[in-house]
Amino acid sequence: EAQVTQNPRYLITVTGKKLTVTCSQNMNHEYMSWYRQDPGLGLRQIYYSMNVEVTDKGDVPEGYKVSRKEKRNFPLILESPSPNQTSLYFCASSLSHGFNQPQHFGDGTRLSIL
Amino acid sequence: GQNIDQPTEMTATEGAIVQINCTYQTSGFNGLFWYQQHAGEAPTFLSYNVLDGLEEKGRFSSFLSRSKGYSYLLLKELQMKDSASYLCAVRDPTNAGKSTFGDGTTLTVKP
Repeated sequence: EAQVTQNPRYLITVTGKKLTVTCSQNMNHEYMSWYRQDPGLGLRQIYYSMNVEVTDKGDVPEGYKVSRKEKRNFPLILESPSPNQTSLYFCASSLSHGFNQPQHFGDGTRLSIL
Repeated sequence: GQNIDQPTEMTATEGAIVQINCTYQTSGFNGLFWYQQHAGEAPTFLSYNVLDGLEEKGRFSSFLSRSKGYSYLLLKELQMKDSASYLCAVRDPTNAGKSTFGDGTTLTVKP
């Protein structure tokens, strides 16, 4: 089944403790992206990757890192999480970064930073 | 930059028709997406419009007017399961890697 898989689905942790949210897609998609979603707000883009070893900042990259060493994986790293990073995170992928390419989303990761 | 506006909430009755509007201000334009997101779930793709006019997909249709910077999603024969948030989105015309989403319209369908 074609899918985008995120782990963990839920995480409660403390300020300053490094964490990684993994994202993997099995559709051979070139493009991958991370978003955060806060109550009443739409999706805000954190980072994106147009292909292996190519990453770039979205609208809200502060406090996050990403890497794209393999086509299928695009982990999101919070080196020193803070409470304002408490949010619902979505990973997405699309066949390419073409303008007409819809994104396929993972089921989301709910992070709580205490 | 890109700016997208949608109404925050709408309510409609089962079996009725509802129109969800989206206006955008962008530095260029290469198409607009609509996604559906049920509470606590992932967004799923509904439609993509790049040319003016109406595109129909079963009970859902999407309309675009590029000259007015305006799109709408039309849902017919509403069902309870259509209660969800509807997001419109555009890709940055100078950098398709960047996407901007509206804040979403939460639709509640009542019996």
